[in-house]
Amino acid sequence: EIVLTQSPGTLSLSPGERATLSCRASQSVSSYLAWYQQKPGQAPRLLIYDASNRATGVPARFSGSGSGTDFTLTISSLEPEDFAVYYCQQRSYWPPLTFGGGTKVEIK
Amino acid sequence: EVQLVESGGGLVQPGGSLRLSCAASGFTFSSHSMSWVRQAPGKGLEWISYITSDSSTIYYADSVKGRFTISRDNAKNSLHLQMHSLRDEDTAVYYCARDPTMTRGNFDCWGQGTLVTVSS
Repeated sequence: EIVLTQSPGTLSLSPGERATLSCRASQSVSSYLAWYQQKPGQAPRLLIYDASNRATGVPARFSGSGSGTDFTLTISSLEPEDFAVYYCQQRSYWPPLTFGGGTKVEIK
Repeated sequence: EVQLVESGGGLVQPGGSLRLSCAASGFTFSSHSMSWVRQAPGKGLEWISYITSDSSTIYYADSVKGRFTISRDNAKNSLHLQMHSLRDEDTAVYYCARDPTMTRGNFDCWGQGTLVTVSS
């Protein structure tokens, strides 16, 4: 099973700042990594698939990069609606499909 | 509008059974693989089961294998999860999620979730 480790656990930032979230895989997942956003009481939302492709309707301030075992989700300038929990997920070697433990982006 | 609506959650005693359903609309359900993903209270996401569009391939997470059964009815645009031998640790919000097909193994549309509470 591929284990995904996200860091940091919590990121405290102010609106307008840049957010950099990390996801590390226990073995190479090539580029088969996705990012999801989840707000309290809501279902997750797909943001990025295959490491760097924005899903439909996702603002350009969200970008993904990386390959192999190290990946990054960057939010270039935080908007108030971006404060949420973010999960990475791999589809390289499955079953099982696995998620990281999440990074909470909170208002500083 | 693409929509997934789960139902069937509730309170059940340990060892009991429950059947979840997911009603799909706004897209060609029979063309998409589907998954169930759960989230324990205050915890992260856990994928638990997957079924292809024609039900020919089914996968389960080890945590539910032998206890849960995924199925679908393409004529009724519905996905199901039959859960038996429920345990305290199965308490979670259960989401059905659509596979986008072009990137098999991702989840591009989610329902609002249904809460399953296993407790005596």
